[in-house]
Amino acid sequence: LAKTTQPISMDSYEGQEVNITCSHNNIATNDYITWYQQFPSQGPRFIIQGYKTKVTNEVASLFIPADRKSSTLSLPRVSLSDTAVYYCLVGRGSQGNLIFGKGTKLSVKP
Amino acid sequence: GAGVSQTPSNKVTEKGKYVELRCDPISGHTALYWYRQSLGQGPEFLIYFQGTGAADDSGLPNDRFFAVRPEGSVSTLKIQRTERGDSAVYLCASSPVPGGPSTDTQYFGPGTRLTVL
Repeated sequence: LAKTTQPISMDSYEGQEVNITCSHNNIATNDYITWYQQFPSQGPRFIIQGYKTKVTNEVASLFIPADRKSSTLSLPRVSLSDTAVYYCLVGRGSQGNLIFGKGTKLSVKP
Repeated sequence: GAGVSQTPSNKVTEKGKYVELRCDPISGHTALYWYRQSLGQGPEFLIYFQGTGAADDSGLPNDRFFAVRPEGSVSTLKIQRTERGDSAVYLCASSPVPGGPSTDTQYFGPGTRLTVL
């Protein structure tokens, strides 16, 4: 199972674009890359998922280079409410269980 | 529609006591997962149900932990002889797709914060 590495914390200001990069050098051919967001006292929430190139939804964009050894979650024009922990996940356990690392704690300041 | 719900939201107990944590998944979701999250860490897998049966309980830390899902919907995580090290947030997630596919979204409940004194 691919191990992921992402920054422990990041700071930003309202209105800025935030990019969180995750490294996953041992990603397997059939692994998807998924990002979850977790607010304090809540369970994680799915943000976006991709396999290669670029994926965009109403919340974020996910950029995956051709070698798939890293990925970047891009949050456009963050607000205070985007303050949360962001987890990069690669692959699944044998029963589809998610495998979380420590995540990146994003703090958005006014 | 309603999301995944978990009760109680907080549980404080004394060392050695027995506790039950309940999870109500999204209606119609056949896959149900329990995770445990310690402070500053990401959630860790405990057990997976496909329907009524525990398809994979490899994440349970020891035999004090047990979970059931008798009718394929609500699940209860049971912890016997609680220890201080069991203190954590216990999260439940459900998915409409049976475990295995790498693309299905899991929907998490808010968790139960267990504190063992």
